[in-house]
Amino acid sequence: SQQGEEDPQALSIQEGENATMNCSYKTSINNLQWYRQNSGRGLVHLILIRSNEREKHSGRLRVTLDTSKKSSSLLITASRAADTASYFCATDTTDSWGKLQFGAGTQVVVTP
Amino acid sequence: DGGITQSPKYLFRKEGQNVTLSCEQNLNHDAMYWYRQDPGQGLRLIYYSQIVNDFQKGDIAEGYSVSREKKESFPLTVTSAQKNPTAFYLCASSIGVNSHTQYFGPGTRLTVL
Repeated sequence: SQQGEEDPQALSIQEGENATMNCSYKTSINNLQWYRQNSGRGLVHLILIRSNEREKHSGRLRVTLDTSKKSSSLLITASRAADTASYFCATDTTDSWGKLQFGAGTQVVVTP
Repeated sequence: DGGITQSPKYLFRKEGQNVTLSCEQNLNHDAMYWYRQDPGQGLRLIYYSQIVNDFQKGDIAEGYSVSREKKESFPLTVTSAQKNPTAFYLCASSIGVNSHTQYFGPGTRLTVL
């Protein structure tokens, strides 16, 4: 089974609303990253949060990390149609340094 | 323009044929990776290379082979031994062993007929 699992699998919202997705993982991590993938394209790195950090911001993105619960959340505020994509969390675990483990992703659709 | 290129974008092959997917980067990154993505799923690591002339198997290496003769290039061969090769293949690179952020190419969609 995968190290990271996102929830929900799919999310449909209107422009201007916030989108929240969660990622749970199983083993200890060095860091957790979020990536975005537009349909049929490669992944784009959004944000990295280290295991000793609890919250991080980048523009309209806010990421939290709770290592006691082995979970992370990604919040996209004031969503736009251009935010329509799949979002993946990826963990860099302490026992497989440098190799990322990806979840199955959350598909987000933002309608105008 | 710096980045990672993959070619071709779409590839069709007959069953039983080997096929090689190209991945080139001009980011001067030491580490390179190959992933496979199936519909509705996350990425699974096929092979990775931390440095020239060295590579390691990932989680699903069976039926695949790679080479890393140059820093810029990390081609992936999908052999006839791969039972279900139709998938979307993504190449990525990172600065090196101390960098965790990976930069991805646009992907190659392989369809085996």
